[in-house]
Amino acid sequence: AQSVAQPEDQVNVAEGNPLTVKCTYSVSGNPYLFWYVQYPNRGLQFLLKYITGDNLVKGSYGFEAEFNKSQTSFHLKKPSALVSDSALYFCAVRDLISSGSARQLTFGSGTQLTVLP
Amino acid sequence: SAVISQKPSRDICQRGTSLTIQCQVDSQVTMMFWYRQQPGQSLTLIATANQGSEATYESGFVIDKFPISRPNLTFSTLTVSNMSPEDSSIYLCSVGGGYNEQFFGPGTRLTVL
Repeated sequence: AQSVAQPEDQVNVAEGNPLTVKCTYSVSGNPYLFWYVQYPNRGLQFLLKYITGDNLVKGSYGFEAEFNKSQTSFHLKKPSALVSDSALYFCAVRDLISSGSARQLTFGSGTQLTVLP
Repeated sequence: SAVISQKPSRDICQRGTSLTIQCQVDSQVTMMFWYRQQPGQSLTLIATANQGSEATYESGFVIDKFPISRPNLTFSTLTVSNMSPEDSSIYLCSVGGGYNEQFFGPGTRLTVL
């Protein structure tokens, strides 16, 4: 079975500092990894994905994520945090099942990011 | 990317009643998904709705409690039946999948008294 872990419920960072939101995963095959952001009273917005290729993936709003196969991690990063980045961040994973189809998306528990002015 | 709208955006309902949530997509899609996000929790998949066939429910969710309709390739409804306070959640519609990202509607915030 596939699973995702976000070990930190809450991350606080000062505006202008780099931020990292951690994610580790477990799948039986090759992972398809995603990051989503949820602002208060809003739905989920897609940030970026890793399917294959370069381990460093760039996404929306200046975010990027690094895929590390040996550590089974896909941490979200941004070089300089903004107050407006404060939101709830979800990591998600799916992999292929034996028939070649993709499984359903499995979400982590979420990390609340607060950027302090 | 798909543009997804949901109605209602929020509602407050009495115990024992039912609420139907509508999801409209601006393009034709094969699969639509319904998720539940309980307060302070992550997203849990309720069911997958394919046009022209019965919805596929995940473990812990049953059709009698969460009947789903999928009359065409751009629309779906989820009904939360015989509601209790434990059903208070955000319900989200989503499209996409396979090897690509999924897109989510804005959600319906349900409070059951």
